[in-house]
Amino acid sequence: KNEVEQSPQNLTAQEGEFITINCSYSVGISALHWLQQHPGGGIVSLFMLSSGKKKHGRLIATINIQEKHSSLHITASHPRDSAVYICAVKETSGSRLTFGEGTQLTVNP
Amino acid sequence: DTEVTQTPKHLVMGMTNKKSLKCEQHMGHRAMYWYKQKAKKPPELMFVYSYEKLSINESVPSRFSPECPNSSLLNLHLHALQPEDSALYLCASSFSVWESGGSGYTGELFFGEGSRLTVL
Repeated sequence: KNEVEQSPQNLTAQEGEFITINCSYSVGISALHWLQQHPGGGIVSLFMLSSGKKKHGRLIATINIQEKHSSLHITASHPRDSAVYICAVKETSGSRLTFGEGTQLTVNP
Repeated sequence: DTEVTQTPKHLVMGMTNKKSLKCEQHMGHRAMYWYKQKAKKPPELMFVYSYEKLSINESVPSRFSPECPNSSLLNLHLHALQPEDSALYLCASSFSVWESGGSGYTGELFFGEGSRLTVL
């Protein structure tokens, strides 16, 4: 079992739909990252969370430390949101990030 | 300037060639990283530099040789690579290296666009 599990692995939505991507982890963490990777490679850091909720534009990230779970929500999805979304955690007892396998999101017009 | 710039974007090399990948940032970050990413897989950490000193080497083969000439630059020298080394190589930086224990974690990462390497 991976220390960081994401679901779903693949997600297809219609433009305008509300999207949720989930991340569960099994270790103690000091922070959790949500990253976005478009085809062609570059990774963009969307959020870094240690508690509660953060919002940026149409993106909302929440984390529940007790349940070891985080969600990334996209409201009013758009085809340009199509990308791989990666959850990564910084464990309290280490100096590395542990990555999930990523969620491939496709938003159709 | 919140950019991490990587060059070249694409590189094709033979197994006997010597080449280098370059990464540059001007955000005053003191930690810089090399990651390797194969298709449809998450990034794998290769090296971490903190204050221009190598702090983590994830048992990377010696055919990959990192170099940090100054706080803004990070190079990855490549020599005698194998076809299985073909991948996307990502550079990242953060304000400081992650600190164990969770206190003072300032590890928000800024990634470059990557250098796509093909070894023939």
